[in-house]
Amino acid sequence: NAGVTQTPKFQVLKTGQSMTLQCAQDMNHEYMSWYRQDPGMGLRLIHYSVGAGITDQGEVPNGYNVSRSTTEDFPLRLLSAAPSQTSVYFCASNAQGGGLGEQYFGPGTRLTVT
Amino acid sequence: RKEVEQDPGPFNVPEGATVAFNCTYSNSASQSFFWYRQDCRKEPKLLMSVYSSGNEDGRFTAQLNRASQYISLLIRDSKLSDSATYLCVVTYGNDMRFGAGTRLTVKP
Repeated sequence: NAGVTQTPKFQVLKTGQSMTLQCAQDMNHEYMSWYRQDPGMGLRLIHYSVGAGITDQGEVPNGYNVSRSTTEDFPLRLLSAAPSQTSVYFCASNAQGGGLGEQYFGPGTRLTVT
Repeated sequence: RKEVEQDPGPFNVPEGATVAFNCTYSNSASQSFFWYRQDCRKEPKLLMSVYSSGNEDGRFTAQLNRASQYISLLIRDSKLSDSATYLCVVTYGNDMRFGAGTRLTVKP
């Protein structure tokens, strides 16, 4: 199993550009989520999904969209990039639901917005 | 006030030392508790769950005090490979809240 994969590993955007961060998992987990990690802040939940076709907002959803058309994929879209979105983004999946069991994280995407 | 607070450290200890990390949380309705480990520029990985009765996994012992809203992690006989950032995680339903992490460096 590849686990949770994320692409790209690194990305530089200009302010106002849009892009999609890709996330896929091959563990047949229903629950998937996106976090951002900033220095001194810990990981913060952006959006999550409890199954295909179902998404919900986390702690810091503004400026991001998600969709879940399949169990395997959970892309994160930045609508109009801003320097405040410079961060490391982690995708995660969980067999039991967000608050239970082990979260499996992808390797992260390092995004810089200039 | 942050929902999950940790001493950021860094903790610099010699090999073989015992070190303890603390974490406090503000939501008294929190349901599940975990410690995750994150190596430099890597993704977090589950170290251990934390139960009210306390639990041990080899050199690692985790404790939970619901009355004081306090979680701890004790590492005995520290190894060089224990050098990492340790993240306290508290959950309520689907909402997982992470502390900013405590950085540990174990020196020879």
